[in-house]
Amino acid sequence: GDSVTQMEGPVTLSEEAFLTINCTYTATGYPSLFWYVQYPGEGLQLLLKATKADDKGSNKGFEATYRKETTSFHLEKGSVQVSDSAVYFCALRDPEAGGTSYGKLTFGQGTILTVHP
Amino acid sequence: ETGVTQSPTHLIKTRGQQVTLRCSSQSGHNTVSWYQQALGQGPQFIFQYYREEENGRGNFPPRFSGLQFPNYSSELNVNALELDDSALYLCASSSILQGALGIQYFGAGTRLSVL
Repeated sequence: GDSVTQMEGPVTLSEEAFLTINCTYTATGYPSLFWYVQYPGEGLQLLLKATKADDKGSNKGFEATYRKETTSFHLEKGSVQVSDSAVYFCALRDPEAGGTSYGKLTFGQGTILTVHP
Repeated sequence: ETGVTQSPTHLIKTRGQQVTLRCSSQSGHNTVSWYQQALGQGPQFIFQYYREEENGRGNFPPRFSGLQFPNYSSELNVNALELDDSALYLCASSSILQGALGIQYFGAGTRLSVL
């Protein structure tokens, strides 16, 4: 079945440092890929998405490129801020999924990011 | 602000009891999904409802059931609670008009503790 693997956390950075959070996936079809962010006490918010190979999703300075050859969707930001401290989830969705998997988002385990001033 | 609200925010139950969690979706969002997020883990898909019928289900036993109402609200019911049911339960809504790529908008969740 489909699965998502994220780099182990937590990740601790100083403000203005470069961020990379690795994400790789396994899927039988051609999934859409997502990064969600969860701030303390809040629900998940969509950060960015990509729907086909070589697509780059971007939002709020974050970027991720859909790499089919390496089945990866790594999240990057050039200069993190204290306000970026949160839990980041990589996820996939198979648009061709039918049956009981219809509509299902498959998430990685999450990566905790803490940014210090 | 996603427009998806869940109640209650926190809930404490004892093993064997039954619980009902509620979700109110954005207007026009006729698809609702429920996820279970155990501490330190990613959300796990429970099921999805469209037009008041279940049309997708994850690896959860039948004691997890749901309802969707015409006013875009929905419920998650869990019978015979077990200690492992302690988790954050997330509701997400989306518009079926966007098809299988429809963005799911999440509520803040209900934290359930089973003692």
